[in-house]
Amino acid sequence: AQSVTQPDIHITVSEGASLELRCNYSYGATPYLFWYVQSPGQGLQLLLKYFSGDTLVQGIKGFEAEFKRSQSSFNLRKPSVHWSDAAEYFCAVGDTGGFKTIFGAGTRLFVKA
Amino acid sequence: NAGVTQTPKFQVLKTGQSMTLQCAQDMNHEYMSWYRQDPGMGLRLIHYSVGAGITDQGEVPNGYNVSRSTTEDFPLRLLSAAPSQTSVYFCASRPSTSGGTDTQYFGPGTRLTVL
Repeated sequence: AQSVTQPDIHITVSEGASLELRCNYSYGATPYLFWYVQSPGQGLQLLLKYFSGDTLVQGIKGFEAEFKRSQSSFNLRKPSVHWSDAAEYFCAVGDTGGFKTIFGAGTRLFVKA
Repeated sequence: NAGVTQTPKFQVLKTGQSMTLQCAQDMNHEYMSWYRQDPGMGLRLIHYSVGAGITDQGEVPNGYNVSRSTTEDFPLRLLSAAPSQTSVYFCASRPSTSGGTDTQYFGPGTRLTVL
C-alpha cells in the first residue's frame, strides 16, 4: 500500500537560513509526488510536483525538491527562508491511476527572526 | 473564477444530527474529492468523484455519503454525526480524472465540531 512519512513534526529555522523538509514514500511503481503548503486557516496550495524526467524539480516561492529513487525520498529545500514561509508543509504521493492521493502527516515550519 | 468554494466555514453539531457540507467549483473540473484533516494525520481521502453520477470511496468513507448530480457541485453528507467526525474538511478538484499529475485545487475548508 502507498504511504508517506514526514519524520519531522515541526522544524524551527532562522530567517535567511536554508531549509530541508524530509519526505519518504512507499509505492511499488514510479510515484507521482507532490509538496503542498498550508498557511494558517487556509486550504492547501501546490508548491511543486514530480512525475518523470529531471529528478530536481523547481516550484513556486523559491522551493525545490529532489526525487531519489534509491532512498524513496522527495525532500523539499529552500536556500533562504523568509518569515512568510512559516506554514505547514505536506508531502503527498498519487497513484498512477490518478484517483487517490495519500498525504503525509505534515511538518510545521516555524521561522524565527 | 472563484475556484473551489465551501460552505459553511464553521459548524457545530450535536451527536446524531445530520448536515451537508457544500462544495462547488467553477473550473469545469471532472475530478472532485473530499478530505478530512486531523492533527498529526495529514489529509485523508473520504470520497471522490470522476464525473457527474460517478463516485467512489477513499480511505475513510464510513459515516459519510456523497453524490454528484452536476459537474460543479459535490456535497458531503453526514447522516448521524459523531464526535469522531470533529475535523476540518477540505474539498478539492482537478481538471481530469486520469491525470494523476494534475494540480489539485483546494477549498478553504469547513471546521466541524460535533458535541
